[in-house]
Amino acid sequence: SAVISQKPSRDICQRGTSLTIQCQVDSQVTMMFWYRQQPGQSLTLIATANQGSEATYESGFVIDKFPISRPNLTFSTLTVSNMSPEDSSIYLCSGGGAGPTAQYFGPGTRLLVL
Amino acid sequence: QKEVEQDPGPLSVPEGAIVSLNCTYSNSAFQYFMWYRQYSRKGPELLMYTYSSGNKEDGRFTAQVDKSSKYISLFIRDSQPSDSATYLCAMKSGRNQGGKLIFGQGTELSVKP
Repeated sequence: SAVISQKPSRDICQRGTSLTIQCQVDSQVTMMFWYRQQPGQSLTLIATANQGSEATYESGFVIDKFPISRPNLTFSTLTVSNMSPEDSSIYLCSGGGAGPTAQYFGPGTRLLVL
Repeated sequence: QKEVEQDPGPLSVPEGAIVSLNCTYSNSAFQYFMWYRQYSRKGPELLMYTYSSGNKEDGRFTAQVDKSSKYISLFIRDSQPSDSATYLCAMKSGRNQGGKLIFGQGTELSVKP
């Protein structure tokens, strides 16, 4: 298994600003992902973070709004840009293998945009 | 129609009860089935993982997959107050699909002492 940490754990931000969330894995993982979990909702995949190349975004999510970096096999960042109250959510980082192994999740970053 | 459907509950049971949690899905390409447990204000943690059809048991937990019906279940025996959490089913396609998981909405479970 992998232990995943995220920083910050929570933040309150003003609309129009940007926040960068960091994700650190305690071991090298093939795949890293970013999810959003809105109140009472399931996890929605934002993008797959690819090491050394541009992230792969899911339908409805774009790079200008959610730029992602992944400089190595243990670290990734997600930026929520030009925030609005609709971006208030929990953002979760996940890591795992490309094979049939499951993914492991970080504790999440709770974001409130005023 | 969502790819994965899960009754959000909430589900409230007395301590010691047998709990049955279920998900249905529409994509016949799904082969890997997971159950995650998420405590309040925490990230999801992997509880059970099953490949294809069949049963898998781990202590008080049993996962069942019926691919012919596109239906998966998680049973919790002798439920405890510490089992109170949200349970999310998740599934993915074949080995080379990049590990993309599709989640159900999650079922909120409360076990009363």
